[in-house]
Amino acid sequence: NAGVMQNPRHLVRRRGQEARLRCSPMKGHSHVYWYRQLPEEGLKFMVYLQKENIIDESGMPKERFSAEFPKEGPSILRIQQVVRGDSAAYFCASSPSGDSPLHFGNGTRLTVT
Amino acid sequence: AQSVTQLGSHVSVSEGALVLLRCNYSSSVPPYLFWYVQYPNQGLQLLLKYTTGATLVKGINGFEAEFKKSETSFHLTKPSAHMSDAAEYFCAVSETSGNTPLVFGKGTRLSVIA
Repeated sequence: NAGVMQNPRHLVRRRGQEARLRCSPMKGHSHVYWYRQLPEEGLKFMVYLQKENIIDESGMPKERFSAEFPKEGPSILRIQQVVRGDSAAYFCASSPSGDSPLHFGNGTRLTVT
Repeated sequence: AQSVTQLGSHVSVSEGALVLLRCNYSSSVPPYLFWYVQYPNQGLQLLLKYTTGATLVKGINGFEAEFKKSETSFHLTKPSAHMSDAAEYFCAVSETSGNTPLVFGKGTRLSVIA
């Protein structure tokens, strides 16, 4: 049973470009969470999705950031017009239900130059 | 609002010594509490969790944590440190109602000296 798969592992973008981060949850998991980790910081919640629905996006910046979890395919975190402050590790986690512990992927490390 | 405070961003212990990583939380409802470990360039792995019931929780790799409601604490311990325990450790809290995202502390980096 494969774990949570995130790709790419490393992503380099120039300022102003778009970044797309993908997350395939564990088999049987319909709940997906995105977290951002800045250097020397803990993980900060961004968004919580359940198949085709955004449940909680209270941690996601209102501008330039969006997330989706379509009926088919991976969850996507999209950052438009990236800035240097977006450089961070972005982690996806999944669970079979809202009460279950999270299983984390290995993250996507975004570097904005 | 929930919050987690981890005392000490960096803890260093000798191999074979006691490991104690401190975590205090704030929650307006009975909390779910978690400890996660992160190895370099990897995601987080669940060490242990407290939901309800027994306040002393045993996890993987010989770690355990005790929920103390009166002290709002959930400190992580291991009797004897091993070199492989060197990693970043995160304490997290969520509400019992479920569908509530985890709130993480800033983490404690554990170094183990031979």
